Amino acid sequence: DAGVIQSPRHEVTEMGQEVTLRCKPISGHDYLFWYRQTMMRGLELLIYFNNNVPIDDSGMPEDRFSAKMPNASFSTLKIQPSEPRDSAVYFCASSPTGAVGYTFGSGTRLTVV
Amino acid sequence: AQSVTQLGSHVSVSEGALVLLRCNYSSSVPPYLFWYVQYPNQGLQLLLKYTSAATLVKGINGFEAEFKKSETSFHLTKPSAHMSDAAEYFCAVTGNAGGTSYGKLTFGQGTILTVHP
Repeated sequence: DAGVIQSPRHEVTEMGQEVTLRCKPISGHDYLFWYRQTMMRGLELLIYFNNNVPIDDSGMPEDRFSAKMPNASFSTLKIQPSEPRDSAVYFCASSPTGAVGYTFGSGTRLTVV
Repeated sequence: AQSVTQLGSHVSVSEGALVLLRCNYSSSVPPYLFWYVQYPNQGLQLLLKYTSAATLVKGINGFEAEFKKSETSFHLTKPSAHMSDAAEYFCAVTGNAGGTSYGKLTFGQGTILTVHP
């Protein structure tokens, strides 16, 4: 099992550009979560999916953020346009139904300059 | 609604000393509780979890935690610290199965553990 795979590991972009972060969950996991980690705010849940359907997106900061899960093996988190305050580490995690506790990916470190 | 408070953003111990990282939770439903560890530039790794079975939970790397409902606590301990334990530790809570908050983890702010030789 390769675990949760995120790409890219690092992303540096200029303010105003579109950024797309990618996640491949563990095969068979029904839940997928996107978290953001910053020094100031810690770990924040942005959105989560169950069986590819968004269940709770109340943590998405604003309309500049969007997330999709077109199939069970792929999800994207998009920021358009990006701003310096979006700089953070973005984690994807997945979990099977009935089990508790996620498996996290290694994260994408986003820097917006 | 659920929340977690980790007491102490930094804890420093000597190698071989007891490790105690404190976590208190608030939950309107019976909780499931977790401890995760994060090494620099890595994702979070599950250390242990409480899911309403035994109140004393043993995890990886010699860590354990005890669920105390009366104190709303889930403190993490390890009898003897090792240099490799230096990392950031996160306590997290979710509602138990069947609740609307099931599966949605809320994390504490983290505690950085430093281990001195």
